[in-house]
This record gives sequence, structure tokens and C-alpha cells, in this order.
Amino acid sequence: AQKITQTQPGMFVQEKEAVTLDCTYDTSDQSYGLFWYKQPSSGEMIFLIYQGSYDEQNATEGRYSLNFQKARKSANLVISASQLGDSAMYFCAMREDQTGANNLFFGTGTRLTVIP
Amino acid sequence: NAGVTQTPKFQVLKTGQSMTLQCAQDMNHNSMYWYRQDPGMGLRLIYYSASEGTTDKGEVPNGYNVSRLNKREFSLRLESAAPSQTSVYFCASSPRAFKNIQYFGAGTRLSVL
Repeated sequence: AQKITQTQPGMFVQEKEAVTLDCTYDTSDQSYGLFWYKQPSSGEMIFLIYQGSYDEQNATEGRYSLNFQKARKSANLVISASQLGDSAMYFCAMREDQTGANNLFFGTGTRLTVIP
Repeated sequence: NAGVTQTPKFQVLKTGQSMTLQCAQDMNHNSMYWYRQDPGMGLRLIYYSASEGTTDKGEVPNGYNVSRLNKREFSLRLESAAPSQTSVYFCASSPRAFKNIQYFGAGTRLSVL
């Protein structure tokens, strides 16, 4: 079974609007971490936001927030007030602390296009 | 702030040739990683080094070797390149502290003909 599932291959959003990128995960570990990375067309992987499995509050970093629903095993990324520079691939990833704290499992990504 | 530096950025090899991908980080991180990214897939871990002097296999280690030269440098070697190793290779490092966030280099695009 896939550890990380991103069901949206591509998304479009109007500039200045908010957008939600979906991510579901599968783990039997009690302690884990969830990450979102951005990959612009230039190719680098840029860390955006982190959520720990024991964190009670949803993580926020500027215009990025992570909608963490533990019971549903989802960790959706919300980008508010989209900008043209947000156009990129977005990857959700998970670290399992019991079974393999050194590996990040990545989803297949969502390509976000911001429309002017 | 260089962060994680990978060389080269691009490389074309013929089947059977060997090469070494270099990675260096200046963040004093303990752990370093090599991933590959194939079209339509997320990144997959090839090898990692949890600390200086140690290396371990990840999900897809076959056809690769690694060396943790010192705390800063972690190299990936392809002894006999195959077309299936055509990919984009990413090096990452992490502090092994709280959150253990991995920070990535810019990637090396490798084509094996």
C-alpha cells in the first residue's frame, strides 16, 4: 500500500484565491512527521511546513497551513492568497519514527498552476 | 548560505561507465541522504548516512555505493551505469534534532544512454 497518496495530479487556482492540496497517509506508527515540499520548475526541493503526529495545533508558516486530521489520516496543505510564484509541484512526505526515522516517503505530487 | 551543494548539475553517461555524484552541506548536519526522482513518482531513498562513519541502504540501493567522507560530504557512486539509472538525483541533509527536517540540494540530472 502507498504510504502517501496525493490524488490530484494537477490543480488550478485564481491568483489571490486559496487552494487546498490533498494528502492522505498510511502508517501504523504512533509517532510520525508530515512534511510538504515545493518543487518549482527550476527543480530544487524547498521545505514548506511540518506537522508532528503529537502536535495538537495545525502547523502554519506564513501563507501555508497544514490541515491535520489524524483520525482521517489526512494532512492537506492550504495556500492562502495564491501568487503566481506558487505555481510548482507540491509533494507531501512522511517520516515514521518507529520503523524508519531516516526515510521520507513521498507522494507523487500535485502540480499547481496559478492563473492571473 | 550555500546549504546543500550538489555537483555536477547535469551529466550524460554511456551504459557501463562509472561516475561519482558529489554532495556537501555547510549546516553542520549529522545525517545525509541520497534520493532519486523518476517521472510521475515521488522521491525514493537510495542510501543514507545517519552520522559520520555510518551508511545504510534505503528503498532502492541496487547499483549504487556511497561514501560518507566526513561530516560535510556524502558521495554517490554508480559503478556501471545502466539506462534504468536515468533520473534526477537529490542529496539532502538533516540535523537529527527535533522535527528532523531534511533540506535538499538542487539535484543532478543524469542520463544514461
